[in-house]
Amino acid sequence: AAGVIQSPRHLIKEKRETATLKCYPIPRHDTVYWYQQGPGQDPQFLISFYEKMQSDKGSIPDRFSAQQFSDYHSELNMSSLELGDSALYFCASSSIAVKNEQFFGPGTRLTVL
Amino acid sequence: AQKITQTQPGMFVQEKEAVTLDCTYDTSDPSYGLFWYKQPSSGEMIFLIYQGSYDQQNATEGRYSLNFQKARKSANLVISASQLGDSAMYFCAMREGPAIGNEKLTFGTGTRLTIIP
Repeated sequence: AAGVIQSPRHLIKEKRETATLKCYPIPRHDTVYWYQQGPGQDPQFLISFYEKMQSDKGSIPDRFSAQQFSDYHSELNMSSLELGDSALYFCASSSIAVKNEQFFGPGTRLTVL
Repeated sequence: AQKITQTQPGMFVQEKEAVTLDCTYDTSDPSYGLFWYKQPSSGEMIFLIYQGSYDQQNATEGRYSLNFQKARKSANLVISASQLGDSAMYFCAMREGPAIGNEKLTFGTGTRLTIIP
């Protein structure tokens, strides 16, 4: 079965640089979520999109922005990177038609030097 | 207050034994969902099992079952006949409100399970 695809899987950036993370949800899933998991921590919700519109916002820094495109893929843009942004970034997707599941992608491990 | 509490930071269990991972939650919403995820050392987040607040029966998926005690606000994960591959971090998570296309999850701090041969 198709799963959530994230790219890149690993990313190394310098402080103050920008990064773009991509997410391709499971086909026919209409909602995309972004989570950030710091080292040794639980995942924290950043932002979500339903049918290409932002549906909820969590603890996402102003330096970050995201959008969902017409093909339902989503991108998380991160600017002025800080050391504290080093984390595992998950994208998850779900479908309003199948309410009891939320599947996560493999994650993008971002390291800021 | 913590919405999801996992009180066992780490557990060691002998192979083939059953194991129970504790999870308590706090919500005033009558409609909610509870999820368990497994995170191996490789980092991916693997969905294991789901329990809805209105579900009458406890959820089961293969060797995984969820001991749902609504009045006590607990949703413990039970793994039967543990295997070495079960060694991982386990997260309990909650969705508050009805599932209407906006289902952000709040996670607990996790339990690191180690299976001993």
